[in-house]
Amino acid sequence: RKEVEQDPGPFNVPEGATVAFNCTYSNSASQSFFWYRQDCRKEPKLLMSVYSSGNEDGRFTAQLNRASQYISLLIRDSKLSDSATYLCVVRNQGGKLIFGQGTELSVKP
Amino acid sequence: DTEVTQTPKHLVMGMTNKKSLKCEQHMGHRAMYWYKQKAKKPPELMFVYSYEKLSINESVPSRFSPECPNSSLLNLHLHALQPEDSALYLCASSQERGDPYEQYFGPGTRLTVT
Repeated sequence: RKEVEQDPGPFNVPEGATVAFNCTYSNSASQSFFWYRQDCRKEPKLLMSVYSSGNEDGRFTAQLNRASQYISLLIRDSKLSDSATYLCVVRNQGGKLIFGQGTELSVKP
Repeated sequence: DTEVTQTPKHLVMGMTNKKSLKCEQHMGHRAMYWYKQKAKKPPELMFVYSYEKLSINESVPSRFSPECPNSSLLNLHLHALQPEDSALYLCASSQERGDPYEQYFGPGTRLTVT
């Protein structure tokens, strides 16, 4: 089993749609959780850290459920510019970032 | 300012060449990282430097040699690479190694080995 597993993609959605990405992690001792986005042939960019209380940044909401070892990202009112690959990332006890395989999102007009 | 810079952007090298990738950050971060990323795959950690000392080497072949001349700079020296080493090489930095510090990536060097 992979340490971080994400929904398989691609997700193809119309502009304005709400889309949710899910991620599970296997190491219950993990302490830090992140969502990164990566555009084609570019570097990963930090989208948001994920906290137990949940956090929101504009149209983006991230949730963490430690009991279920589950992380989610909700994007409301999708824009064309949201098209990218979304990487679920967990930091293990050794301080190493463990990346999920990524979920590709394509927002269509 | 969360900028990490990398040079060159693109590099083509033969299997007998020696080249170096450079990474720089001026955020006062004390941890710096090298990652390798193949197409359609997530980044894979290669090396971690913390306070200018190598703290993690993910069993990377010796044809890759990292160097941290000072707290702002990180180099990756390349020698006798193989075509399968062609990939995007990403540098990242964080305030410190470990929780809760976030890592910021540079734009990468796209390496082609011929």
